[in-house]
Amino acid sequence: DQQVKQNSPSLSVQEGRISILNCDYTNSMFDYFLWYKKYPAEGPTFLISISSIKDKNEDGRFTVFLNKSAKHLSLHIVPSQPGDSAVYFCAVGGSNYKLTFGKGTLLTVNP
Amino acid sequence: EAGVAQSPRYKIIEKRQSVAFWCNPISGHATLYWYQQILGQGPKLLIQFQNNGVVDDSQLPKDRFSAERLKGVDSTLKIQPAKLEDSAVYLCASSLGGGYTEAFFGQGTRLTVV
Repeated sequence: DQQVKQNSPSLSVQEGRISILNCDYTNSMFDYFLWYKKYPAEGPTFLISISSIKDKNEDGRFTVFLNKSAKHLSLHIVPSQPGDSAVYFCAVGGSNYKLTFGKGTLLTVNP
Repeated sequence: EAGVAQSPRYKIIEKRQSVAFWCNPISGHATLYWYQQILGQGPKLLIQFQNNGVVDDSQLPKDRFSAERLKGVDSTLKIQPAKLEDSAVYLCASSLGGGYTEAFFGQGTRLTVV
């Protein structure tokens, strides 16, 4: 029973365009949301986070949007760069501070 | 600042053998996590330590997996005996506190059970 779903296993975009990665969750008790980025043969690295009291958080080219009523969050990367090519995981946390990860989306940014 | 160190990077063992993984977290990080990532899946939390106490081990298969955190710093994860389905990357992560401070991950240990 997946509590966190990333329904797109892969996404391909052109350099300079916007990348939008999506994540859906099932439990309305989750109140903290994170995105991690993973290159091959490396561990995931933290990218950006948002708490449930906000609906948007921005850090440079990366913006995370949270729609609590739809139980949906998204990561926007603008403009996309070839170095952004990686697997992106969304992770959600609840009152027990335990993080649950989605399966990931492989982003490929083509030059 | 040194990152999370894990060893070995790769391990191949036969089923029913035992194996141990080691993790050295970032200095000063109170919380340490072990995750299992099976190919094509997201990381799954096996066990979470706060200092040297266990916070959550609800998804740890305790009949074959064990973990300890020595003096609240280094940690080892052991599998005995290993099964084919244990083939995965085992990731160690650490964070400053038990709240939502982001976790920093090591490079992982890729285990293949044959």
